[in-house]
Amino acid sequence: NAGVTQTPKFRVLKTGQSMTLLCAQDMNHEYMYWYRQDPGMGLRLIHYSVGEGTTAKGEVPDGYNVSRLKKQNFLLGLESAAPSQTSVYFCASSYGGYNSPLHFGNGTRLTVT
Amino acid sequence: RKEVEQDPGPFNVPEGATVAFNCTYSNSASQSFFWYRQDCRKEPKLLMSVYSSGNEDGRFTAQLNRASQYISLLIRDSKLSDSATYLCVVRANQAGTALIFGKGTTLSVSS
Repeated sequence: NAGVTQTPKFRVLKTGQSMTLLCAQDMNHEYMYWYRQDPGMGLRLIHYSVGEGTTAKGEVPDGYNVSRLKKQNFLLGLESAAPSQTSVYFCASSYGGYNSPLHFGNGTRLTVT
Repeated sequence: RKEVEQDPGPFNVPEGATVAFNCTYSNSASQSFFWYRQDCRKEPKLLMSVYSSGNEDGRFTAQLNRASQYISLLIRDSKLSDSATYLCVVRANQAGTALIFGKGTTLSVSS
């Protein structure tokens, strides 16, 4: 049972390049989330999804797009990377009830030069 | 007042010590609460949920005080392996936008 898997683990982009981060979960969770974590800022929600085919904006959505075409996958896209998007990105999932905790992937370390 | 506040520390304690962290939250409608542990450069992992009546898991005890809007985490008999950052997480409703993470409290346990 893999839980939540993120790919890639590391990536270096040049300003203006695009990329997609993939998150896959095998726990049949309804809710999936993308967070970014920066020093001194804590975890901040970028986008989330409450089910297949649905997405919604979080706290810091600008510069990112997401898609949830299949229940088990949640994709995060950067169309035109900027140095301000240098961060560690975490995907998480939960079954969605009030007391349901989040299960996190291992993270993707992205550097934009 | 920030939505979820934690003392960043670091808390430096010797092995065997008892240490407590507090976390305050601003939204009185908050419904559920968690403590997560995050090791350096790793993903956050659930340590324990926090229930209204308080709950214990081995050396760890979590308490909720709704009147004063804070939760606490007590670690007894600290181990070197307890060294990590502890994140307080508060959820106001089922939607993801209302799940707020504190910035974390760093604990360093030394021999």
